[in-house]
Amino acid sequence: QQPVQSPQAVILREGEDAVINCSSSKALYSVHWYRQKHGEAPVFLMILLKGGEQKGHEKISASFNEKKQQSSLYLTASQLSYSGTYFCGSHSSNTGKLIFGQGTTLQVKP
Amino acid sequence: GAGVSQSPRYKVAKRGQDVALRCDPISGHVSLFWYQQALGQGPEFLTYFQNEAQLDKSGLPSDRFFAERPEGSVSTLKIQRTQQEDSAVYLCASSLNQGSYEQYFGPGTRLTVT
Repeated sequence: QQPVQSPQAVILREGEDAVINCSSSKALYSVHWYRQKHGEAPVFLMILLKGGEQKGHEKISASFNEKKQQSSLYLTASQLSYSGTYFCGSHSSNTGKLIFGQGTTLQVKP
Repeated sequence: GAGVSQSPRYKVAKRGQDVALRCDPISGHVSLFWYQQALGQGPEFLTYFQNEAQLDKSGLPSDRFFAERPEGSVSTLKIQRTQQEDSAVYLCASSLNQGSYEQYFGPGTRLTVT
């Protein structure tokens, strides 16, 4: 089953914060986050393994709540370069099959 | 080093034609994945390989779709007797191994079936 992302779209001003959520109906082994700009390939952001850890780099971080089968991506003090579509991908076991959500489109305006 | 490359970048096929899409993964990456991405949607899993072994092909939409990776490096996705619903971007990704490793995506092949 495809994970469900919310919201579907976000419009921000530069410097504002955003949270993107990803929920699964299946038990998760890990969650991947990717960003895709129009006409380009998805670019890896981070992986979270079950255990509830929070990861991040620069002003983008994420958390993974294994019990709730949810992950959230936090974008702090957004920059114009953050614009794009964010996808979460879920692994239900330690195999290669990654199931992506439908995406959240983020637009950061000056 | 070089990333994942795919060719051709764009392909226009008439309905009923066969097409072959190529993927060159990052050198040394054991796992290779194929995804189909429709406009405005997330990538949808098609199949993946661990070296030359195709471990999961559950996402292939019909028996018109066939993928191979004979020497555990370059992979080809073949679509026979293309239909209009096959129009999409086909993405290839590779990773060091299966499981919780980051996947590196190629630029994709945009297939348009007329």
